[in-house]
This record gives sequence, C-alpha cells and structure tokens, in this order.
Amino acid sequence: DGGITQSPKYLFRKEGQNVTLSCEQNLNHDAMYWYRQDPGQGLRLIYYSQIVNDFQKGDIAEGYSVSREKKESFPLTVTSAQKNPTAFYLCASHLAGSGEQYFGPGTRLTVT
Amino acid sequence: AQKITQTQPGMFVQEKEAVTLDCTYDTSDQSYGLFWYKQPSSGEMIFLIYQGSYDEQNATEGRYSLNFQKARKSANLVISASQLGDSAMYFCAMREGRDAGNNRKLIWGLGTSLAVNP
Repeated sequence: DGGITQSPKYLFRKEGQNVTLSCEQNLNHDAMYWYRQDPGQGLRLIYYSQIVNDFQKGDIAEGYSVSREKKESFPLTVTSAQKNPTAFYLCASHLAGSGEQYFGPGTRLTVT
Repeated sequence: AQKITQTQPGMFVQEKEAVTLDCTYDTSDQSYGLFWYKQPSSGEMIFLIYQGSYDEQNATEGRYSLNFQKARKSANLVISASQLGDSAMYFCAMREGRDAGNNRKLIWGLGTSLAVNP
C-alpha cells in the first residue's frame, strides 16, 4: 500500500540530546513537509522540501534541521538548540499540481 | 492577524444529525484553496474536502460538504448524518495563491473538537 510512514510512534529523549525523526513515503510525491503540533494548537510548519537536495525553512525552523537526499525520505533532526522540543510531529507530502497534503501517523516526542 | 479562524473550540452533535463547523479566512489573493482535515485521537491528519477559490459549486465528498461563501470569506464544513466515528478534531486550512516556487504551504486554523453523542 502507498503511504507515508513515520517512526517511531513514541520517542523519549533526555534534554541535550539530538534526535532524528524518520519520514518515508512511497507515493512518488515531490514535496514533503514537517509540522509541529502542540496541545490545543493547529499545525506549524518547520521545514519543507519541493525537490531532492533542496529545502526551505518554515515558520519555526530554529533548533531543527532536515535533509532531502532521496525523494522518498525527509528526516527531521531535533537538535539540543530547540528550547521546547516536546510535541507531536507530523510529516506530509503532496504531488506537484495537486492540492491536498497527505500525512503520516505522526511521532510524539517527549524530552525530559 | 489570524488568516484562518475557527471560532468554535468545541461542538456537540447528536448521532444522525447534521453539524456545521465554521471557518473564516483572510487573504488578498484571488487564487487560493481551502481544505478541511479530520484528526482523530490517533493523531493522523485525514484529508476530507477541498474548495478552490474559482470553483463555482460547493465541494461535496460523501457526507461532507463545504458551504463556500466567497464574499463573506467563509468555508464552513457541513457533516450530514453524524456518526460516532466522526468524533475528532477538525482543522480548516488555506493555501494562498502560487508563489514562484509553486509553494504549497498551508495555513492552519486552531481546530474545532467535535463530539458525537449516541
């Protein structure tokens, strides 16, 4: 089945550690996105990529980094510079020319 | 200023009844798109329905329809014949115009929590 996978579903880290969240899609979509969602809030864009080897900062990129070496993969690294990393992280993708974004199941990151 | 406003933090509806979730938007672009997504407690965002700014007819997808009133800048979601499985958060989102890079960033509202009562 085609879709977007994010792993793991739940992730726990100690403060000061970098952590990488995985996002893989087999939909052959060009663009991929990372969002952060805090309790009772909408989605805020962290980074997005429209093609391989290219990505742009979203609204809240500080403390995060990404790479897009393959069309299928768009991993997000939450660095120790991110002040409040505990959140729900959603990855999405869409096909060029289409409207809607398709989402993965999300990763809930807890940093203590 | 918020570009997407969802004024109802929480809504209740009786099973099998219809419910309308409000969404107003603010944009100066002539070309834009409006989306509704459902987020159940599992967390995944599920696309429901899309309305383009130039679409003359209101979008419909099964039990979902979008009441698009362009002059009022509103794009309300109507769910007919509510089911218990419709209990979830519902988000309205907007894509503005087209920038040089064919950017498809979405701007999100804060969501409405819908509870369907048996």
